[in-house]
Amino acid sequence: TQLLEQSPQFLSIQEGENLTVYCNSSSVFSSLQWYRQEPGEGPVLLVTVVTGGEVKKLKRLTFQFGDARKDSSLHITAAQPGDTGLYLCAGGDNQGGKLIFGQGTELSVKP
Amino acid sequence: DAGVIQSPRHEVTEMGQEVTLRCKPISGHDYLFWYRQTMMRGLELLIYFNNNVPIDDSGMPEDRFSAKMPNASFSTLKIQPSEPRDSAVYFCASSLVGGMSGELFFGEGSRLTVL
Repeated sequence: TQLLEQSPQFLSIQEGENLTVYCNSSSVFSSLQWYRQEPGEGPVLLVTVVTGGEVKKLKRLTFQFGDARKDSSLHITAAQPGDTGLYLCAGGDNQGGKLIFGQGTELSVKP
Repeated sequence: DAGVIQSPRHEVTEMGQEVTLRCKPISGHDYLFWYRQTMMRGLELLIYFNNNVPIDDSGMPEDRFSAKMPNASFSTLKIQPSEPRDSAVYFCASSLVGGMSGELFFGEGSRLTVL
């Protein structure tokens, strides 16, 4: 069974601080996705990484896929209150079409 | 274009009652997923379909849960009889190419409370 572990589970920071969220597994994934979920809504895709060592940037967000394709990280620079939400990593199942999610990191950015 | 549409948004029922959750995927998407989200267990995959055929239902908790997809534009998740531990937010999602590399588009969820 493929599992994804995220850390930390909860993160409360002040506006302007930097932060990193980690997503780790003992399994190799063909791809990893990061989603963001706001209260009362479904998750929304932020980015997909497919190549080991890949780095993608989305404004103040930087995503990295580990060389061995077992882990990923999300770094936010100069966090803003609008970044508040639940961040979920998800791995594509290597044998089928399903997507497995980590437990999520609840981020709160205070003004 | 309309996104994934789920109904009802909220349901409160009593233990032992039947619950039916409904989902209309995005037109043209071949994959449909049912997830359950709780604080304790996060977002769990219950079942997914490809071209209306159930592919993996290993996440369905027990025989009280069943899911159908009679056509490409409609799916149901039924719980009978419901129990308090089934209380959760149930999400339906659809995708063009599946989870390995495709984006999942989620509905707004159905919040179920079983008393």
